[in-house]
Amino acid sequence: EPEVTQTPSHQVTQMGQEVILRCVPISNHLYFYWYRQILGQKVEFLVSFYNNEISEKSEIFDDQFSVERPDGSNFTLKIRSTKLEDSAMYFCASSGGWSYNSPLHFGNGTRLTVT
Amino acid sequence: TQLLEQSPQFLSIQEGENLTVYCNSSSVFSSLQWYRQEPGEGPVLLVTVVTGGEVKKLKRLTFQFGDARKDSSLHITAAQPGDTGLYLCAGASIQGAQKLVFGQGTRLTINP
Repeated sequence: EPEVTQTPSHQVTQMGQEVILRCVPISNHLYFYWYRQILGQKVEFLVSFYNNEISEKSEIFDDQFSVERPDGSNFTLKIRSTKLEDSAMYFCASSGGWSYNSPLHFGNGTRLTVT
Repeated sequence: TQLLEQSPQFLSIQEGENLTVYCNSSSVFSSLQWYRQEPGEGPVLLVTVVTGGEVKKLKRLTFQFGDARKDSSLHITAAQPGDTGLYLCAGASIQGAQKLVFGQGTRLTINP
């Protein structure tokens, strides 16, 4: 079964550094998402992306965050200048449509540790 | 801000027992999804409920959406060790939207 793949599985970075988290969505999917989960907290929506532009973003997704689909297969999340509170598990997801009958398929996540 | 509260957060029972996990909100959701998440993996969708009062069954798992579409429950009959895991509910606030609001999860342990 096709799956969403994320790399790296674990990223350690120093505060203030830029990080890029990478995702390869399922090939025929058109909608892409980033969610994150801080340790011990709920999974939170960050951003949705369709047709090469952001469809919706949360309050968490401030100017330090950006997303890109650089080559038609990868979907990236960039954090420009990481903060300690950015430490979390970041999940990429994709779906074939926007409705409830096009379920989200999640990757296994990238654990980001900011020191 | 829409919130989903799951209860209990932790549940440990013996194999063969029944259990119910609850997901409650003061907000109306257009649909509600239940996920299962294994350690080191992303959430995997179990079911989506859309209509108020809807009941869906997945083998020994029964999912119900409240009449007012503000709450949902997951009932497991004759729990087995293989049911052990983290169960998450997530609501969609706009028809068709995939901006999900998640509950905090229920960590279920079934003891042999």
